[in-house]
Amino acid sequence: KAGVTQTPRYLIKTRGQQVTLSCSPISGHRSVSWYQQTPGQGLQFLFEYFSETQRNKGNFPGRFSGRQFSNSRSEMNVSTLELGDSALYLCASSVAGGSSGNTIYFGEGSWLTVV
Amino acid sequence: GQQLNQSPQSMFIQEGEDVSMNCTSSSIFNTWLWYKQDPGEGPVLLIALYKAGELTSNGRLTAQFGITRKDSFLNISASIPSDVGIYFCAGQQSGGSNYKLTFGKGTLLTVNP
Repeated sequence: KAGVTQTPRYLIKTRGQQVTLSCSPISGHRSVSWYQQTPGQGLQFLFEYFSETQRNKGNFPGRFSGRQFSNSRSEMNVSTLELGDSALYLCASSVAGGSSGNTIYFGEGSWLTVV
Repeated sequence: GQQLNQSPQSMFIQEGEDVSMNCTSSSIFNTWLWYKQDPGEGPVLLIALYKAGELTSNGRLTAQFGITRKDSFLNISASIPSDVGIYFCAGQQSGGSNYKLTFGKGTLLTVNP
């Protein structure tokens, strides 16, 4: 059973540009969530999607957005990139999310460097 | 917002020693999870705990869900060099619209062969 797949693994962008990251959840998983990991802030929740609907959102500016497709695949977008957006962006999936027993599994992440 | 206090921040031990780390929270969680992250990789789930008081083992790893639902600990017995990495605790609340994990800051484990 394939795990959570994220693309691209590494990318470098310039300040002011925008970036789109992609995530394919584990087959059968309908909940996809995104996290940002930085040395200073650790792992922080960005948002979570289920059945193409955003159910929960973390404390990030509106430059961070996401969406989920009917096949449960998800993308997140960051517009007007800032140097501080440099981070490891992690996607996670679970069967349904939120209920006891719906364990969350992570992908390997997308390393974003903003220069 | 919610915070998880994970301790210790780092540990340097000799191979064969036992290790213990813990997380405490000001909030109640319905699920506690422990992950290990290697450099450049995503967190890998080690143990999931779903009931207060639950004690679960996974090989040399043992974790417990505190009775108050505000804490959890992870023990690693007879450590080996491949145990090196960052260990994270995470709490999850269920119900309503709160489908997210709150993470601790991590415990960096170094094992000296």
